[in-house]
Amino acid sequence: AQTVTQSQPEMSVQEAETVTLSCTYDTSESDYYLFWYKQPPSRQMILVIRQEAYKQQNATENRFSVNFQKAAKSFSLKISDSQLGDAAMYFCAYKGQGGSEKLVFGKGTKLTVNP
Amino acid sequence: DAGITQSPRHKVTETGTPVTLRCHQTENHRYMYWYRQDPGHGLRLIHYSYGVKDTDKGEVSDGYSVSRSKTEDFLLTLESATSSQTSVYFCAIRPGFSYQETQYFGPGTRLLVL
Repeated sequence: AQTVTQSQPEMSVQEAETVTLSCTYDTSESDYYLFWYKQPPSRQMILVIRQEAYKQQNATENRFSVNFQKAAKSFSLKISDSQLGDAAMYFCAYKGQGGSEKLVFGKGTKLTVNP
Repeated sequence: DAGITQSPRHKVTETGTPVTLRCHQTENHRYMYWYRQDPGHGLRLIHYSYGVKDTDKGEVSDGYSVSRSKTEDFLLTLESATSSQTSVYFCAIRPGFSYQETQYFGPGTRLLVL
């Protein structure tokens, strides 16, 4: 079974600085998708960024980028120029290509942004 | 905004009573999902639907049933609520035309079973 591990329960960053959140996963599949979701205090789950495993190029979305290392099964999220509104829980998630409809989530990392 | 609403947004109920949560979408997406979120567990899939009257179990389906009689509505029923079903419930959709497997979530329903 696939598993997703977020080893940092909590992280903090100063406003305007850069922070990296870690995620590792375990799978025997070769085709899959990886996601980072943000959950602010409102509890809404918001898609931050998505990566297809067959793409070697790392995904970027404005201030958010990933470092996808397929061989190492690592998928970290980098937030540049951190803003107060980035404070939230961040969840890493895995979706296999081979028929399962389940998104497998990590347990989350709570990010605090200090002014 | 993926056009997903959930009702009710908050509910308090008593052990042993049936509870139905509703997920409504406005964009005729084929795939709909129910997840629960508990501290220390992230989100876990309860049931999902791949079309009207087509549903399947997820990893934590015991004690839950679902129905989908219309494309836009996906109902989750707790047949006899227990305290262990106190949780936040999220509905999600996946656009069927997209092969990028992305799921988009509704705002959540907070359920407390006393």
